[in-house]
Amino acid sequence: EVQLVESGGGLLQPGGSLRLSCAASGFTLSDYSMNWVRQAPGKGLEWVSYISSSGGATHYADSVKGRFTISRDNAKKSLYLQMNSLRAEDTAVYYCARDWQQVDYYFDYWGQGTLVTVSA
Amino acid sequence: EIVLTQSPATLSLSPGERATFSCRASQSVSSFLAWYQRKPGQAPRLLIYDVSNRATGIPARFSGSGSGTDFTLTISSLEPEDFAVYYCQQRSSWPLTFGGGTKVEIK
Repeated sequence: EVQLVESGGGLLQPGGSLRLSCAASGFTLSDYSMNWVRQAPGKGLEWVSYISSSGGATHYADSVKGRFTISRDNAKKSLYLQMNSLRAEDTAVYYCARDWQQVDYYFDYWGQGTLVTVSA
Repeated sequence: EIVLTQSPATLSLSPGERATFSCRASQSVSSFLAWYQRKPGQAPRLLIYDVSNRATGIPARFSGSGSGTDFTLTISSLEPEDFAVYYCQQRSSWPLTFGGGTKVEIK
C-alpha cells in the first residue's frame, strides 16, 4: 500500500525556518517524481514545488521561489522541503504528492499533511 | 503563471441531478488539464486527466470536456458520495496551478 507521511510542521514566527519531511512507503521512491502542495485555511490547493525522480530537476511556485528548497534522499525513502524566511501567508497544511507515472505532473497519491503556522 | 478560475464557487444540487461546472484558464493550456475531487478529511482524488480521460476506477458519470482556455466537468447524475469540492489543475507550463475549487453541496 502506498503511504506518504509528512512531518515537521509547527508554529513559528515570521522570518523563521522549518524543514518538512515526507516518508514514503509501499513503492520505490526513486522511480517517481514528487511534489509539495499546500492548502491555506479556508483556501484551495496551491502547488508549491516539484522534484524529478533523480533530484536533477526542480520547480517552484513564484510565491516560494528563493525561499523554499525541495530535496530528496531516495535511499532514505524521504522527500524534504526546507522553508526559510517564512511569512504569515505560508501558513497552510503541506502535503507531499506523488507524480503520476502514467501522465507527468498530475498527482495520484497524497499524504495527510502537516500544519505549518507562521504567526507572531 | 497560468491562473485557473473555477465557477461557480458553490453549486447546490440534489442527488440525481446533473452537475456542470467550469474551469477557465488565463491562457491556453492546450489539453493539459485535470480534475480532482476532495472530500473532507481525505486526500484529493484524480478524476479526469488531459481534459476528458477518466482515471482508473472513476465512474462513467464523470466526464470532462473543453480545450484551450475553457473546460467543463460534468457529473451526469449526482450520487450521495459525489458531494465534495472539485479542483482543476493544469500541467501545461510551470508553475503548475490549481483552480480555486467548486463545492458541490446537497440542496
